[in-house]
Amino acid sequence: NAGVTQTPKFQVLKTGQSMTLQCAQDMNHNSMYWYRQDPGMGLRLIYYSASEGTTDKGEVPNGYNVSRLNKREFSLRLESAAPSQTSVYFCASSEAGGTASYGYTFGSGTRLTVV
Amino acid sequence: KNEVEQSPQNLTAQEGEFITINCSYSVGISALHWLQQHPGGGIVSLFMLSSGKKKHGRLIATINIQEKHSSLHITASHPRDSAVYICAAIPLPNSGGSNYKLTFGKGTLLTVNP
Repeated sequence: NAGVTQTPKFQVLKTGQSMTLQCAQDMNHNSMYWYRQDPGMGLRLIYYSASEGTTDKGEVPNGYNVSRLNKREFSLRLESAAPSQTSVYFCASSEAGGTASYGYTFGSGTRLTVV
Repeated sequence: KNEVEQSPQNLTAQEGEFITINCSYSVGISALHWLQQHPGGGIVSLFMLSSGKKKHGRLIATINIQEKHSSLHITASHPRDSAVYICAAIPLPNSGGSNYKLTFGKGTLLTVNP
């Protein structure tokens, strides 16, 4: 099925461990995003990639790095996980910067717990 | 103050009732999304609209750009409509934001009882 695929769906990390969240889309979208969702905070943008070869910081980038591996794939890396990074992470993609003509498609989320 | 405000935060209804969820925003926008998230589930885009009204099945979304307000209506509500509904604004590039960055409301938790 066409859409955005995130892996893994669940992960438990110990403080200080590293991991990479993977995201791939098969809709030939130019732009991709990583969000985190916390209770009472809503969705917040961590990093985004407007097009292949570019990445930019969002609202809450500290503690994260990203790689736009190719047009399909956009990964999020936690180098040294902290309990404050316990959250649900969503990857999303859009055709072109979320302009009025195009919508966003979200992945199913990764529930990350850092202990 | 969040740039996108939703009301109510929580809404409980009986099956069959007409539901309205409101979204107000303070930034200039090019369009607005309505999203649906079931408990523990992913996020689905219901509508994206920049003017007027859109309808899909029992769902209707309206937007008034001048008044900076949008509403999501659900007719003949059903327990399967129980979810969190989120509005997200796509800011105009000249409003100080980037049209790559959605600004989200905090969501409205809708519970429809049978």
